[in-house]
Amino acid sequence: DSGVTQTPKHLITATGQRVTLRCSPRSGDLSVYWYQQSLDQGLQFLIHYYNGEERAKGNILERFSAQQFPDLHSELNLSSLELGDSALYFCASSETSASTDTQYFGPGTRLTVL
Amino acid sequence: AQTVTQSQPEMSVQEAETVTLSCTYDTSESDYYLFWYKQPPSRQMILVIRQEAYKQQNATENRFSVNFQKAAKSFSLKISDSQLGDAAMYFCAYRRHSGNTPLVFGKGTRLSVIA
Repeated sequence: DSGVTQTPKHLITATGQRVTLRCSPRSGDLSVYWYQQSLDQGLQFLIHYYNGEERAKGNILERFSAQQFPDLHSELNLSSLELGDSALYFCASSETSASTDTQYFGPGTRLTVL
Repeated sequence: AQTVTQSQPEMSVQEAETVTLSCTYDTSESDYYLFWYKQPPSRQMILVIRQEAYKQQNATENRFSVNFQKAAKSFSLKISDSQLGDAAMYFCAYRRHSGNTPLVFGKGTRLSVIA
């Protein structure tokens, strides 16, 4: 157990819908990273938050957004869902934003868009 | 942009034997970090081992060790005395030292362990 929690574990929804994925980092960790794992694209970085502020963006679609709250949990919002958004979404946390820090991954949320 | 390549989509090993998973990467940076993550059927991403590029000594964690060849940009993972629980997807990952940098992952190698 990494100490990072994600809810829900599974999510099944329809095209055009909007969903919210939640991540709670390890106690004391200030950084949260979101990654998407799909069969065709592999594991890709989406976005990074540090202590409530956005720090870096990767291959994140405009339909996707995220935020980190004062209690440091983070939410990833996916809207106007398409079939291709079906994937495993991971969050990872680390103590700071330094590259020396190890990122610890949560168990992931499996999103299925029908 | 940095890229990570794992040329072996699938590998298999007999229980108690040794197996080596390959990884190459492309970067113009001199300071960076390399990682191997394991993803068992549970889908959890578990850190196996980590290597700092400035360290010449290869990292070791129990039965897991790496062969880091900086000039060749190669970072292979050796698993000794393979166990059934080692069966998983293994991902090689790179992270640049400077800036707010995420992990860049390879496509993964699926390892099967044969009893």
